[in-house]
Amino acid sequence: DQQVKQNSPSLSVQEGRISILNCDYTNSMFDYFLWYKKYPAEGPTFLISISSIKDKNEDGRFTVFLNKSAKHLSLHIVPSQPGDSAVYFCAASAGNFGNEKLTFGTGTRLTIIP
Amino acid sequence: GAGVSQSPRYKVTKRGQDVTLRCDPISSHATLYWYQQALGQGPEFLTYFNYEAQPDKSGLPSDRFSAERPEGSISTLTIQRTEQRDSAMYRCASSRTRGMGETQYFGPGTRLLVL
Repeated sequence: DQQVKQNSPSLSVQEGRISILNCDYTNSMFDYFLWYKKYPAEGPTFLISISSIKDKNEDGRFTVFLNKSAKHLSLHIVPSQPGDSAVYFCAASAGNFGNEKLTFGTGTRLTIIP
Repeated sequence: GAGVSQSPRYKVTKRGQDVTLRCDPISSHATLYWYQQALGQGPEFLTYFNYEAQPDKSGLPSDRFSAERPEGSISTLTIQRTEQRDSAMYRCASSRTRGMGETQYFGPGTRLLVL
């Protein structure tokens, strides 16, 4: 039972354009959502997060949007740069319920085309 | 240390052997997590420690899997009588403390192959 789903295994975007990565979840107890970025041969690195009390969080070129009613979040990267090419994992936790363990999606491989 | 380190980076073993994987968290980080990541999947939670305590072992797939953190810093994950289905990347992460909003920092992982 996949509680966090990333339905696009891969995405290619032209350099300078916007990259939009999507994530859906099923567990209504999730109240904290994160995006991790992973380069080959490295561990995932934290990118950006959002609490369920917000619907948007922005950090430089990265913005995460949360639609609780649809149980959907997305990561926008604008403008996309070649260094953004990586695998992006969406993750969620139920921290307010004392459960900080992360539940991850299967990842989306983003390729930025120069 | 500067980041989370794990050893060995690669481990090949024969079915039925025991293996022990090690994680060195970021110094001063109270909380440490173990995840298992199969090929093409995201990391899946195994267990976590808060200092020496192990409040949640719900993700350990069987009693062949165990983890320790006796002094609240370095942790080991032991798999007894390994099976081919145990082949995966094993990732360790640490965070400053428990709680929502605490970033988990991941190590590079140990890739385990059971022949």
